[in-house]
Amino acid sequence: NAGVTQTPKFQVLKTGQSMTLQCAQDMNHNSMYWYRQDPGMGLRLIYYSASEGTTDKGEVPNGYNVSRLNKREFSLRLESAAPSQTSVYFCASTRLAGNTGELFFGEGSRLTVL
Amino acid sequence: QQQVKQSPQSLIVQKGGISIINCAYENTAFDYFPWYQQFPGKGPALLIAIRPDVSEKKEGRFTISFNKSAKQFSLHIMDSQPGDSATYFCAASDNRDDKIIFGKGTRLHILP
Repeated sequence: NAGVTQTPKFQVLKTGQSMTLQCAQDMNHNSMYWYRQDPGMGLRLIYYSASEGTTDKGEVPNGYNVSRLNKREFSLRLESAAPSQTSVYFCASTRLAGNTGELFFGEGSRLTVL
Repeated sequence: QQQVKQSPQSLIVQKGGISIINCAYENTAFDYFPWYQQFPGKGPALLIAIRPDVSEKKEGRFTISFNKSAKQFSLHIMDSQPGDSATYFCAASDNRDDKIIFGKGTRLHILP
C-alpha cells in the first residue's frame, strides 16, 4: 500500500542549481497538489492539478514549475534554486476534483538550498 | 492575504483536559472544512471534516464546531492524551476550484 510516494526524501542544493521533485500516487486519484511547509507558515499551496492535463497556480507559485506527466505522476521543478526555497515539500492527492474527499499526503521531501 | 486564520500557534494541555483550536475564514464560498493532524517527520493526515450545513460533527474524542454566521470553526479534543501531541491544521476549500487552503497550524503538547 504505497499511497503517495515522493523522491528524493532529502536534497541539498547550491544557489542557482536546478532539480525536480517527483511524486507518484497509486490510488487512481484525479487531483494532485504540491505544498511547502515552513515553520510558522503552515502549508502553502504551490501548484495543483485538478485532472490529468491541467495545472494551476496556488498561493506561492513563483520560482517553481510543474508537470502532470500522467494520472499517477506530478513533478515539481526548481529551475534556479534560491535559499528562500529551503523547505519541506509535500505532495498530496485526492480522488475527486471539487474537494469532496480526503487529501492523502506523501511523507515529504526536505530541501536545503545553500 | 491569509484566507484561513488559525489560533493559537501553540497549546499546552494537561492529560485529560480539553484542547481547543480555532479557525476563521473570510471567503463565504468555502464549503468544506477539514482538520489535519501531523506527527513529526510525517505528512498530514485527515482527522475530521465538516460542511457548513451542520453546526457540529463528532468522531470519538474529536468534535468540530461550526459557526457559519461568524465564519469560524473550531476543533475540540476531549480527554486529551499524550498521543494527541502533534501539529493540527485547519483547512478550507470551495468546489468552484480545487484549491485547498490551510491555516498556519497549531502545535499541541499534552502533558502526561
